[in-house]
Amino acid sequence: GAGVSQSPRYKVAKRGQDVALRCDPISGHVSLFWYQQALGQGPEFLTYFQNEAQLDKSGLPSDRFFAERPEGSVSTLKIQRTQQEDSAVYLCASSFTGREQYFGPGTRLTVT
Amino acid sequence: QKEVEQDPGPLSVPEGAIVSLNCTYSNSAFQYFMWYRQYSRKGPELLMYTYSSGNKEDGRFTAQVDKSSKYISLFIRDSQPSDSATYLCAMSAAGSARQLTFGSGTQLTVLP
Repeated sequence: GAGVSQSPRYKVAKRGQDVALRCDPISGHVSLFWYQQALGQGPEFLTYFQNEAQLDKSGLPSDRFFAERPEGSVSTLKIQRTQQEDSAVYLCASSFTGREQYFGPGTRLTVT
Repeated sequence: QKEVEQDPGPLSVPEGAIVSLNCTYSNSAFQYFMWYRQYSRKGPELLMYTYSSGNKEDGRFTAQVDKSSKYISLFIRDSQPSDSATYLCAMSAAGSARQLTFGSGTQLTVLP
């Protein structure tokens, strides 16, 4: 079946612009996670949803980062007033159990 | 000090070799342990998932968890050039916290 999909795959933003990154989880997966991966590093947790409820947002680095999942399926990660340090790959993962997580291909964000 | 330590390599082996990849961790609350494979410019792919201590085998892959030593391993038998990738260990605690904490990844090259 279809895996996790993310769009866009690549995004270039000028510093100060707002961006929106989309994640389509595996059908039926109630848990959805966002991670940030810097070059040469492992992914780092940003936020977690169970259905439409955002249960943990402790990893969001600043109040410029905002995530939503209004209908418990598709999720959007929004970054306002992007800065160069936001340049990274943003990964979305979904899970049925909340334990085994399946990742999408990621969105590579470059802030110039 | 990071919660999860992983030797970044790079590790280079000849085709057919047995590969051993390892992670150590400091948080005794971790109960769920995973290994992911990540090809360049792709999302992490779940290889192995284990709960608590013990061994798990799946084809050419064996995962071992030693909670008393806070040490986990992934063994790859009969390694193939297609195994060349970055391998990430990941773990999570029991209870409601579901986010994964990753190692920084080990870059593996299997030479034909």
